[in-house]
Order: sequence, then C-alpha cells, then structure tokens
Amino acid sequence: GAVVSQHPSRVICKSGTSVKIECRSLDFQATTMFWYRQFPKQSLMLMATSNEGSKATYEQGVEKDKFLINHASLTLSTLTVTSAHPEDSSFYICSARGPAGQIEAFFGQGTRLTVV
Amino acid sequence: DAKTTQPTSMDCAEGRAANLPCNHSTISGNEYVYWYRQIHSQGPQYIIHGLKNNETNEMASLIITEDRKSSTLILPHATLRDTAVYYCIVRVYGDSSYKLIFGSGTRLLVRP
Repeated sequence: GAVVSQHPSRVICKSGTSVKIECRSLDFQATTMFWYRQFPKQSLMLMATSNEGSKATYEQGVEKDKFLINHASLTLSTLTVTSAHPEDSSFYICSARGPAGQIEAFFGQGTRLTVV
Repeated sequence: DAKTTQPTSMDCAEGRAANLPCNHSTISGNEYVYWYRQIHSQGPQYIIHGLKNNETNEMASLIITEDRKSSTLILPHATLRDTAVYYCIVRVYGDSSYKLIFGSGTRLLVRP
C-alpha cells in the first residue's frame, strides 16, 4: 500500500509554545489529507480535512486558530498546535487519500504530543 | 456522527476464524463500508472495503448483507498479531470530500 509518514513520532513541549507536525505522502500525490486526534482508550476523532492549495475544512468544535493546517504541496500537510496546553496532549494522526484509482485512505504512524 | 455500531470487545483462539460484526443500518446506497485496525500506539491499518458485494483479499473477507445494514469482517486464521482494535467505518461525504468517521471499534484479543 501507499506510504504516509509523520514527523516527529514523539514531541514534548512546554505549555504556551507551538509545535508543528508534518505529514508526508512518500510515494504518491495526495490532494486530500486528514488530521485526527486520539485520546487514551478512545477512538480517532476527525479534526479537519485538508485540500492542497485551499483552506482546511474543520469539524465542528475544532478551533481553527489553535490547530493551523497548511497543505501547500501534493505531498505535505502540516498541523501546528499553537499555544499548546496540557489538555492538548494527545496522539495526532494524519491520513491521505490514496493514489488515483484507490479509494482507501492511508494513515501515518501518529505523533504523540505531550505538553508539560 | 459515526454511523456504525460494534461490540466493545471480542476474543478468539489462535488459528480459528475471527468474525467481527458491524451494524450500519442508516447507510446510504452509495456509501462504502471500510474496515481498519489499530495496534496500540500506531496509525490505523487498512484492511478491506466494500459496497454491495462480498470482498476478499489477502488479509480478510468482508461479508455485507443484502440490505447492506450490517457486515462481518472475517479473519480466517487469527494469529496473536491480529490482536488490535478493529474499526468498521462508513465513508461519508462531507463539506468538500469523502471522509472516514471512526466509531468506537471492537477490541479483538486473540488467545494462544
């Protein structure tokens, strides 16, 4: 299957700082990428849909000014958690719709964010 | 607004078939059913998807009822490495594209 890579896999940051997470499609072009958040022992919650070259579409209840998404190229989307607080600590996962002709989405390995 | 319901947990013996049910009674005619699984602290792994017909690949089989209100994922010979949370998902069309809305999933434990 297609490969989606996230970086970093783990990050610890101080409260009040911002942190950027990258999501790359390594062997295909992804016009659409998705960002999810997962708290311990819970399911994945879709945060936003990111289309290349346009503004992201956020799910209800997700603060667009806090979770900045940029999808400037067909292989890279970034999620920036601004002014992070301990309650933002979570597992953040991206996915990308597969290459043309495939309708499944492929997921990155996730980024564990800890805000101290 | 997940459109699926699954049992919270199941278990099966290693080497036996694991049959994971899913109800999606409000599914629309053009909505696909997807199955993913997630092993602890990793990103979800695609397993299989289908629309109306039963599907089979190297990982699993997907049986969809004729009325499309439920489906069953079958792992024919479960191994210990199949222990994971299995998500049954109906792909929905959102504001700008299709998206996968995860439900709570089934935690499958494969026993030695």
